[in-house]
Amino acid sequence: SQQGEEDPQALSIQEGENATMNCSYKTSINNLQWYRQNSGRGLVHLILIRSNEREKHSGRLRVTLDTSKKSSSLLITASRAADTASYFCATDAKDTGRRALTFGSGTRLQVQP
Amino acid sequence: GAVVSQHPSWVICKSGTSVKIECRSLDFQATTMFWYRQFPKQSLMLMATSNEGSKATYEQGVEKDKFLINHASLTLSTLTVTSAHPEDSSFYICSAGRLAGGGDTQYFGPGTRLTVL
Repeated sequence: SQQGEEDPQALSIQEGENATMNCSYKTSINNLQWYRQNSGRGLVHLILIRSNEREKHSGRLRVTLDTSKKSSSLLITASRAADTASYFCATDAKDTGRRALTFGSGTRLQVQP
Repeated sequence: GAVVSQHPSWVICKSGTSVKIECRSLDFQATTMFWYRQFPKQSLMLMATSNEGSKATYEQGVEKDKFLINHASLTLSTLTVTSAHPEDSSFYICSAGRLAGGGDTQYFGPGTRLTVL
């Protein structure tokens, strides 16, 4: 399968709570990225973490990467209704020359006001 | 930041017709562009890699004669869905690759929603 796996597939939380999404991938990577997609819209790039990094922060976002387990997590703190969207991780493939990204299956986040 | 546009943003067509979707990198040159397809509530799946001045590389299971890709310039790639059928209805997203500062970054277009009646 081209895709990695994400869990949960769907997540519903209350405004103010934290949301954690997990992503697993299959190949060695140069970097891993997280994207957000509002329903029927294009992708919004959130954050990129390189394979030699373990954690990265950007505003209310915290991303971790464990290359030994081929997994990453995205934490959104103090969630807002506007965070409602689908979230995808995407990886490149190291040492293959392949530049296209492989996307995870996605997590649909619903933040209740 | 780098901007990628797609045109049209949505299109409705009759079964059997052909539809052309354009992907443009507005402020940088992209030797490589990528075409993805996304069915409802699913993830993006790579269809093909479009290289300027050469033939596109298609992923397994993607019919090259049905999805014609042309990358005639460093800022424009087109995807033509030939003899479209209802099962081709999907969200098509392109991205343009930019090599800069030792890194490779992809910039995504806003997508084109195709509905085939």
